[in-house]
Amino acid sequence: RKEVEQDPGPFNVPEGATVAFNCTYSNSASQSFFWYRQDCRKEPKLLMSVYSSGNEDGRFTAQLNRASQYISLLIRDSKLSDSATYLCVVITDKLIFGTGTRLQVFP
Amino acid sequence: DTEVTQTPKHLVMGMTNKKSLKCEQHMGHRAMYWYKQKAKKPPELMFVYSYEKLSINESVPSRFSPECPNSSLLNLHLHALQPEDSALYLCASSQAFPQRLAGGTYEQYFGPGTRLTVT
Repeated sequence: RKEVEQDPGPFNVPEGATVAFNCTYSNSASQSFFWYRQDCRKEPKLLMSVYSSGNEDGRFTAQLNRASQYISLLIRDSKLSDSATYLCVVITDKLIFGTGTRLQVFP
Repeated sequence: DTEVTQTPKHLVMGMTNKKSLKCEQHMGHRAMYWYKQKAKKPPELMFVYSYEKLSINESVPSRFSPECPNSSLLNLHLHALQPEDSALYLCASSQAFPQRLAGGTYEQYFGPGTRLTVT
């Protein structure tokens, strides 16, 4: 089993839709979690940290489920500009990137 | 300011050339990273510097040689590369590195990358 796994997608959704991605991790000692977005041929950009109590930033909500060892990212009211690859990062004593989930929002 | 800069943006080099990639940050971060990214794959960690000392080398071939002259700068020296080394090379920094347990946060900020082509 990979240390960090994501559904590669692509997720094709219409504008205005709500979409959710999960990222599962295998090491129960994982301590910090992040979501990044990466546009084609660009660098990853930090989207949000994931806190134990869950956190929200505008249309984006991140949650952590330690019991089931996954984090999630919910995007509400999808915009065309949300089209990108979404990468999770899990930290134990090292940083591990997930393989990324491709989101395509269409008009 | 969460800016990490990298130069050059693009680099084409032959297999016998020697070149260097440069990275700079002025956020006071004490951890700096080199990643390699191939198309449609996630970034792959190569090296980590923490407090200007090499903390992690992910079994990277010796034709890649990192250097951290000071807390703001990170270089990657390239020599005798192979065509399969062509990729996007990303630099990142964070306040702290997890293994240090010295406090600080681990959010990484990435530079725009150097797109390297080895001919």
